[in-house]
Amino acid sequence: QVQLVESGGGVVQPGRSLRLSCAASGFTFSSYGMHWVRQAPGKGLEWVAVISYDGGNKYYAEFAEGRFAISRDNSKNTLYLQTHSLGAEDTAVYYCAKASCSSTSCHIAGGDDSWGQGTLVTVSS
Amino acid sequence: DIQMTQSPSTLSASVGDRVTITCRASQSISTWLAWYQQKPGKAPKVLIYKASSLESGVPSRFSGSGSGTEFTLTISSLQPDDFATYYCQQYNSYSRTFGQGTKVEIK
Repeated sequence: QVQLVESGGGVVQPGRSLRLSCAASGFTFSSYGMHWVRQAPGKGLEWVAVISYDGGNKYYAEFAEGRFAISRDNSKNTLYLQTHSLGAEDTAVYYCAKASCSSTSCHIAGGDDSWGQGTLVTVSS
Repeated sequence: DIQMTQSPSTLSASVGDRVTITCRASQSISTWLAWYQQKPGKAPKVLIYKASSLESGVPSRFSGSGSGTEFTLTISSLQPDDFATYYCQQYNSYSRTFGQGTKVEIK
């Protein structure tokens, strides 16, 4: 079955960088677009970025543009989110999620296993 | 970015009630809208996509409607498993946005 496992979260000081990873299995990773979505403690969902199946198209939320970079390595079945200049407002659980198609234009896939369990990033001095 | 506004923010209802949640977009998004359900400590799950298409495995008591800027999610007869937070999300533009969420509580 589909499995998405995020890693790389932790406590980081303001202004520093962090790279999050999402290891995928149980499906043909190289055939699907992928998303990052975050959720601050006690708050709502916030979409971060999307990447197409081949990494050729990438789009970001306004707050992420220029600070975050989404990428993928299809040979390793892994999705990444490189974050820079982190601030307290970036404290959140970061989820990776599988798209319902190969491009960046479709919705996040259905099913209980289309999202990872999330990795918590805490920005604090 | 396109802004998505949900109402109400919180809704108190009883088992068996018909429940409606509204989502408004700041500009037309055609029918490029999805609805998600999230329970505490869990990842979200998609219920509806393209405004009115029911995701496989989702109970038929959930339905979605609307186009352009106004959308609704309806639960025809609320069940105990449905007490959760619901979010809409537009995927019309390259930059997606979620609504702020509607928490459905037990009355």
